[in-house]
Amino acid sequence: AQKVTQAQTEISVVEKEDVTLDCVYETRDTTYYLFWYKQPPSGELVFLIRRNSFDEQNEISGRYSWNFQKSTSSFNFTITASQVVDSAVYFCALSEEGNTPLVFGKGTRLSVIA
Amino acid sequence: GAGVSQTPSNKVTEKGKYVELRCDPISGHTALYWYRQSLGQGPEFLIYFQGTGAADDSGLPNDRFFAVRPEGSVSTLKIQRTERGDSAVYLCASTVAEGTGELFFGEGSRLTVL
Repeated sequence: AQKVTQAQTEISVVEKEDVTLDCVYETRDTTYYLFWYKQPPSGELVFLIRRNSFDEQNEISGRYSWNFQKSTSSFNFTITASQVVDSAVYFCALSEEGNTPLVFGKGTRLSVIA
Repeated sequence: GAGVSQTPSNKVTEKGKYVELRCDPISGHTALYWYRQSLGQGPEFLIYFQGTGAADDSGLPNDRFFAVRPEGSVSTLKIQRTERGDSAVYLCASTVAEGTGELFFGEGSRLTVL
């Protein structure tokens, strides 16, 4: 069975600090997909990134970067030079091969203080 | 609007009543998903449609929950004999490409059962 664990329930940082959100997953499939979504106070989940299990290259998009390590079943998300607008709940999610629906972690609430 | 629209945004009902929640997906999106999000938790999958048919309803908690999408566009989630434990935010998402995980979410319908 698939499972996603986000051990950090809440994180608070001061603006301009870097912050890393952890995600550990469990799956028996060799083909799977990992995601990060952002949920701002408005409630609407916003897609950030999708990685497949065969692509372990780290990815950078502006201030956002993702570190995928199959050896530790982790897909961590780092925000560099955090800003107040980054304050939100961030969810990591997993989908197994065969178009199975996303399974989400419990989320990490990030508060960036000015 | 261009995004996924959900109505009502808030619904308060009494235990035992019947409730309908509506989702209007992005035009042209063939796949539609319903998730439920309880306080402090990640979204939990309920059901998804490909076109008019329910492709996977394995997440529906019991037979009080039912969803339809008669014309392959708007979907309605129906809850009979509501219970206090049904209180949650019900999220709808759509995508043009089933299985990619790039879901576009609405802002949700917050259901409170008194």
